[in-house]
Amino acid sequence: DQQVKQNSPSLSVQEGRISILNCDYTNSMFDYFLWYKKYPAEGPTFLISISSIKDKNEDGRFTVFLNKSAKHLSLHIVPSQPGDSAVYFCAASAYNGGATNKLIFGTGTLLAVQP
Amino acid sequence: DAMVIQNPRYQVTQFGKPVTLSCSQTLNHNVMYWYQQKSSQAPKLLFHYYDKDFNNEADTPDNFQSRRPNTSFCFLDIRSPGLGDAAMYLCATSRDGTGYTFGSGTRLTVV
Repeated sequence: DQQVKQNSPSLSVQEGRISILNCDYTNSMFDYFLWYKKYPAEGPTFLISISSIKDKNEDGRFTVFLNKSAKHLSLHIVPSQPGDSAVYFCAASAYNGGATNKLIFGTGTLLAVQP
Repeated sequence: DAMVIQNPRYQVTQFGKPVTLSCSQTLNHNVMYWYQQKSSQAPKLLFHYYDKDFNNEADTPDNFQSRRPNTSFCFLDIRSPGLGDAAMYLCATSRDGTGYTFGSGTRLTVV
């Protein structure tokens, strides 16, 4: 049962244009969402996050939008750069009483930014 | 720089031969996690330590075990690796579930 879904395995975008990566989730208890970026042979690195009390969070070229009613979030990268080419993972967690928040990951989207 | 270090980066083991992967951290995080990621799949949580308390995921095979001798180190033991255990193994740490930081991973090949 895939609780976090990234339905696009890959995305190709021209340099300078907008990249939009999508993520859907099924568990209504999720209250915190994160995006990770992963280069080959490296571990995921944190990119940006959003709490369920917000619908938008922006950090430089990266903006994450959350639509709770649709259980959907998206990551916008503007403008896209060749160095953004990587696999992007969406992850979600649910508060569980102050113990540990386990991250549930999507399968990732491979972004290729063409020069 | 504070970080999460996994050794080795690449590990080749024989079918059925026990293997241990290691993870160390300088972040002084109290939670350490082990994830398994197979090709084109989502990273899957195997287990985690909250301080000294071990928490196993329900669907983690018995073949996988872990040790955390101190705050800084955590080990993943695969008792009898099968071909299906070939994957990238990711160690991560957090402070009470926040500030997740991942290591670079160990790619395990079973021959």
